[in-house]
Amino acid sequence: QKEVEQNSGPLSVPEGAIASLNCTYSDRVSQSFFWYRQYSGKSPELIMSIYSNGDKEDGRFTAQLNKASQYVSLLIRDSQPSDSATYLCAPCSRGSTLGRLYFGRGTQLTVWP
Amino acid sequence: DGGITQSPKYLFRKEGQNVTLSCEQNLNHDAMYWYRQDPGQGLRLIYYSQIVNDFQKGDIAEGYSVSREKKESFPLTVTSAQKNPTAFYLCASSLVGQGSNQPQHFGDGTRLSIL
Repeated sequence: QKEVEQNSGPLSVPEGAIASLNCTYSDRVSQSFFWYRQYSGKSPELIMSIYSNGDKEDGRFTAQLNKASQYVSLLIRDSQPSDSATYLCAPCSRGSTLGRLYFGRGTQLTVWP
Repeated sequence: DGGITQSPKYLFRKEGQNVTLSCEQNLNHDAMYWYRQDPGQGLRLIYYSQIVNDFQKGDIAEGYSVSREKKESFPLTVTSAQKNPTAFYLCASSLVGQGSNQPQHFGDGTRLSIL
């Protein structure tokens, strides 16, 4: 079974701070990495994808990938109370043509005003 | 608007009963998936399908069955053999890429409980 570990929460940060969410994965052949945001009682929503080593920025979100260390992270700058949610890390392990996602348990983030 | 529609939103199952969860997508995605989420847990894959009339078991397929007769539809049946069916069920779909892995997009989910 492929393992995905996320930093245990809950993580609590003040409004305007940087929230740092971490994820390690066991499958060395994972090629693509996705971050989903899940509000309480709702379904996951894709917020970031990253495919190569380094940083990828999209607005207030930055994803960082280090395949050698099997590590991926998500930084949220200028955190807002609306960012309060559970964040799911999902590496994709590629099969013949269809990749499978393996989800971590998620990190619950609370941004307080 | 394109999207994934799951119904019903809430479902209750009696002992010994089979129930079917509906999932329809109009995104023209080839691949569809069913996940189960328990409180405080990650998503676990039940079944997935890459093309019509073909599907594969995921990690927790026992007690579940699926069909894929149309590209747009991937219903999940929770059979009486599934002894602990209470969970949040999520349907997802994605394109099938050759060069890179395509992200999955989710429906709003169905909450199943035992009466």
